[in-house]
Amino acid sequence: DGGITQSPKYLFRKEGQNVTLSCEQNLNHDAMYWYRQDPGQGLRLIYYSQIVNDFQKGDIAEGYSVSREKKESFPLTVTSAQKNPTAFYLCASSIGGRGHEQYFGPGTRLTVT
Amino acid sequence: AQTVTQSQPEMSVQEAETVTLSCTYDTSENNYYLFWYKQPPSRQMILVIRQEAYKQQNATENRFSVNFQKAAKSFSLKISDSQLGDTAMYFCAFMKHENSGYALNFGKGTSLLVTP
Repeated sequence: DGGITQSPKYLFRKEGQNVTLSCEQNLNHDAMYWYRQDPGQGLRLIYYSQIVNDFQKGDIAEGYSVSREKKESFPLTVTSAQKNPTAFYLCASSIGGRGHEQYFGPGTRLTVT
Repeated sequence: AQTVTQSQPEMSVQEAETVTLSCTYDTSENNYYLFWYKQPPSRQMILVIRQEAYKQQNATENRFSVNFQKAAKSFSLKISDSQLGDTAMYFCAFMKHENSGYALNFGKGTSLLVTP
């Protein structure tokens, strides 16, 4: 089945530790995205990548980093510099270009204490 | 910067009734795309409907339809014959042009509860 997988579903970390969230897609999509969702805030764009080996900062990139070494994979690292890392993180992909639907993964709930 | 406003944080509707969720946006672009996404309690985001701004005709998908008013920058979602499975958060989104591609700018969402 084609789709987007994110792992793990729940992740717990201690403050000061970096943590990497996985996102894999087998839809052969060029574009991939990371969003953060907080209660009452909707979804906010962290990073996006339109093609392998290229990525761009979104609206709230500070404290996060990404890589896009393979078309299928777009991991997100939440660094210790991110002041409020506890949130629900959603990965998405699309064919790319104007107007195309974004398909979302099931999300990862990160809790940092 | 494009902004998306959903003025109704919560709404409820009885099963089989019709409900309309509002969305307004701000942009200086003339050609753009708008979306409604649904997020049920499972938290899986699902596309409900998409509208191309240069198309005058309102988009329709089964029980879901939009009222797109380009001049007013309004993009409301109408759900007819509401079903219990329609209970979810609904997000309006504007597709914006970023530096090297396109991304979605979301509103804060409307929580819809469908009651028996």
